[in-house]
Amino acid sequence: GENVEQHPSTLSVQEGDSAVIKCTYSDSASNYFPWYKQELGKGPQLIIDIRSNVGEKKDQRIAVTLNKTAKHFSLHITETQPEDSAVYFCAAKPSNTGNQFYFGTGTSLTVIP
Amino acid sequence: DGGITQSPKYLFRKEGQNVTLSCEQNLNHDAMYWYRQDPGQGLRLIYYSQIVNDFQKGDIAEGYSVSREKKESFPLTVTSAQKNPTAFYLCASTPPGTGKNIQYFGAGTRLSVL
Repeated sequence: GENVEQHPSTLSVQEGDSAVIKCTYSDSASNYFPWYKQELGKGPQLIIDIRSNVGEKKDQRIAVTLNKTAKHFSLHITETQPEDSAVYFCAAKPSNTGNQFYFGTGTSLTVIP
Repeated sequence: DGGITQSPKYLFRKEGQNVTLSCEQNLNHDAMYWYRQDPGQGLRLIYYSQIVNDFQKGDIAEGYSVSREKKESFPLTVTSAQKNPTAFYLCASTPPGTGKNIQYFGAGTRLSVL
């Protein structure tokens, strides 16, 4: 089955700096890669996603890049703000396992004011 | 106000007791999921259901049971066979059609053992 690895597990940045979180996946059948933000005591919320036919996608301060050959994808947050502090999860969805998603282990991001 | 509602927010289980976590959605979504979240382990799939009266085991189904009698509801029972039930439980759903890649999550239920 699919295996998603996520690094780093914790990340601290100064306000205004950029943050990068990286994920790798193992199943070449994966074709959808969402990123979720989870605030303390709440459920994850989708912040950006990318499909396998696209190499990069941007939404304001957030961008995701995908390298299908290397089987890795990354989340980039620019001009970080204290409200960006949360746990971020990557996920992969293979095209051949019905509707099943596979999640990374999460990155706890702290933005220091 | 559409969304996924999980209840209760906090739940305590005594040894040997079965407890049921509720998940209701009014989004008209077909597929629903239950995940378990432990520190440092991300989200692990317990059960999922693509349609009413049908469900499949995920990676960690042992000690859990589900039912899907209505489209809107997907309750999870943590049985006494689950020896380490303390965790944060998340319910999710996905819409039909081309939007079925996007998962929407509830706010979660935190289960602890007394």
